[in-house]
Amino acid sequence: AQKVTQAQTEISVVEKEDVTLDCVYETRDTTYYLFWYKQPPSGELVFLIRRNSFDEQNEISGRYSWNFQKSTSSFNFTITASQVVDSAVYFCALSLTQGGSEKLVFGKGTKLTVNP
Amino acid sequence: DGGITQSPKYLFRKEGQNVTLSCEQNLNHDAMYWYRQDPGQGLRLIYYSQIVNDFQKGDIAEGYSVSREKKESFPLTVTSAQKNPTAFYLCASSMNPALLPGDTQYFGPGTRLTVL
Repeated sequence: AQKVTQAQTEISVVEKEDVTLDCVYETRDTTYYLFWYKQPPSGELVFLIRRNSFDEQNEISGRYSWNFQKSTSSFNFTITASQVVDSAVYFCALSLTQGGSEKLVFGKGTKLTVNP
Repeated sequence: DGGITQSPKYLFRKEGQNVTLSCEQNLNHDAMYWYRQDPGQGLRLIYYSQIVNDFQKGDIAEGYSVSREKKESFPLTVTSAQKNPTAFYLCASSMNPALLPGDTQYFGPGTRLTVL
């Protein structure tokens, strides 16, 4: 089965704490793509990052960082010094190729609440 | 501004009525998608279209229909055959998955449909 598991349903932290959101995926493909999206209370999904399976280098963008480990099929997301504006639902997704078409398989999301 | 628009933002429908959700993009993207999101759940693919005048069923197409007569438009009709249509509907687009594997999907602001 090709799927994405986000085991943490909800996480609550206090502002300025670091927080890591876990994502574990399963796929038979040797070439695949992983994504993280943020869904604030307004509902729109905001793209955060795209990573292909051949690039295991960790990435940092400001307070955000991503740790991709093929050996454990994980693509975890860390927010450093969290802020109230980081409160949202975060989705991890896997790009799946079927019959020449591509689609995204999403995890169920992790709701992050950052308290002041 | 380039982007994806969905209308209306909120939609109320009586049981037994069909309703059409609008999705328009001016990103010049070839592919468009419709997802459904239920509370506490990830996104599930309803229909997708990789090119004008062509579309394929996703994982939960029953009770829905689409058309793709123009590149920039991909309306979704929720028919009376859809047994539980109350949900949040998100439209997305990507450049050309056939040429750009794992291409990023960008999302609209969503339409919240409630059946009364």
